[in-house]
Amino acid sequence: GENVEQHPSTLSVQEGDSAVIKCTYSDSASNYFPWYKQELGKRPQLIIDIRSNVGEKKDQRIAVTLNKTAKHFSLHITETQPEDSAVYFCAATMRGSAARQLTFGSGTQLTVLP
Amino acid sequence: NAGVMQNPRHLVRRRGQEARLRCSPMKGHSHVYWYRQLPEEGLKFMVYLQKENIIDESGMPKERFSAEFPKEGPSILRIQQVVRGDSAAYFCASSPSTGVQETQYFGPGTRLLVL
Repeated sequence: GENVEQHPSTLSVQEGDSAVIKCTYSDSASNYFPWYKQELGKRPQLIIDIRSNVGEKKDQRIAVTLNKTAKHFSLHITETQPEDSAVYFCAATMRGSAARQLTFGSGTQLTVLP
Repeated sequence: NAGVMQNPRHLVRRRGQEARLRCSPMKGHSHVYWYRQLPEEGLKFMVYLQKENIIDESGMPKERFSAEFPKEGPSILRIQQVVRGDSAAYFCASSPSTGVQETQYFGPGTRLLVL
């Protein structure tokens, strides 16, 4: 089955700096990669996703890049703000198949220092 | 447009009791997924259901756990004879029936505490 590894487990940045979180996956058949943000005691919220037919996607201060050959994808947050502090999870799955479960990384605790 | 609903939000059970967790998907969604999150860990897939069908239960323990998604009403995750190790947050997610079917939206979770 799929295995997703996520690094780093914790990340502290100064407000205004950029943050980068990296994930690798094992199953070359995976073709859909969402990122979720989870604040303490809250639900995971989808913040951005990417499909394997594109290499990069951007939404305001958030961007995701995908390298299919190397089987890794990354989340980039620019101009970080204190409200970006949360746990971020990457995930992978295979679109169009019966096996739709998301396999999650172990999470990154991002702290943005004011 | 209500999101995914789960209840109860918090559930306390003593060892040996039953826990019943409910999930109502978003309107227009007929795919439901259950995930378990242990403290300070990631989410682990348990089961994937469509109306009246279990599609994939490969992540669900074979004993004491069961899930259903009836034709009418919410999806239910049932844990019989709970043990302390069952204490976790249980999240339900749903995805659309048509269009972008792989995008999953999560409910607020049920936090189960077994005493």
